[in-house]
Amino acid sequence: NAGVTQTPKFQVLKTGQSMTLQCAQDMNHEYMSWYRQDPGMGLRLIHYSVGAGITDQGEVPNGYNVSRSTTEDFPLRLLSAAPSQTSVYFCASSPGTGIPGANVLTFGAGSRLTVL
Amino acid sequence: AQSVSQHNHHVILSEAASLELGCNYSYGGTVNLFWYVQYPGQHLQLLLKYFSGDPLVKGIKGFEAEFIKSKFSFNLRKPSVQWSDTAEYFCAVLRMDSSYKLIFGSGTRLLVRP
Repeated sequence: NAGVTQTPKFQVLKTGQSMTLQCAQDMNHEYMSWYRQDPGMGLRLIHYSVGAGITDQGEVPNGYNVSRSTTEDFPLRLLSAAPSQTSVYFCASSPGTGIPGANVLTFGAGSRLTVL
Repeated sequence: AQSVSQHNHHVILSEAASLELGCNYSYGGTVNLFWYVQYPGQHLQLLLKYFSGDPLVKGIKGFEAEFIKSKFSFNLRKPSVQWSDTAEYFCAVLRMDSSYKLIFGSGTRLLVRP
């Protein structure tokens, strides 16, 4: 089925470890974004991309890197995990027609990350 | 910095009660506005959106929202809630400038008692 696929669904890390959360979409969407969801804080934008080769920072980019080498993939890298990065991470995408991000977002199922 | 405020963090209603969830934003320029819903164990999905035109927009499942530009508000309403409306509701605002950042509010958890 077409959609946004996130892997892994669950991950436990130790402080200082690095890892990559994968996000792939097969809808040829230009706009992709990463959010983290924390209780009482809603979804906060980490990084986003309006097309291959273009990325930009969101509200809470520190401690995270992204790249967009293809239209389909938008991985999120944690360089040195910290307990404050314990959260549920959502990847989302939308068509690039018109204003980027103005179209309806399709969300992935989420990746639950725990940093000990 | 732009912010999106949802002042009601938790709302508890009985079935058939009316619902209004507040959403205010701080950006003064042109915006696109959204309400997303997350049912227990499910993905976030779009409830309704406002881009332009009639400020009263209707969405799925009997929900509607009114954009009041002078108040920077986009409140969500439903005249009669059902138990199945139990979910978390998120307001989101897209600035219509070159930043293209879609910013979400902190969410409102709605519990509808049967």
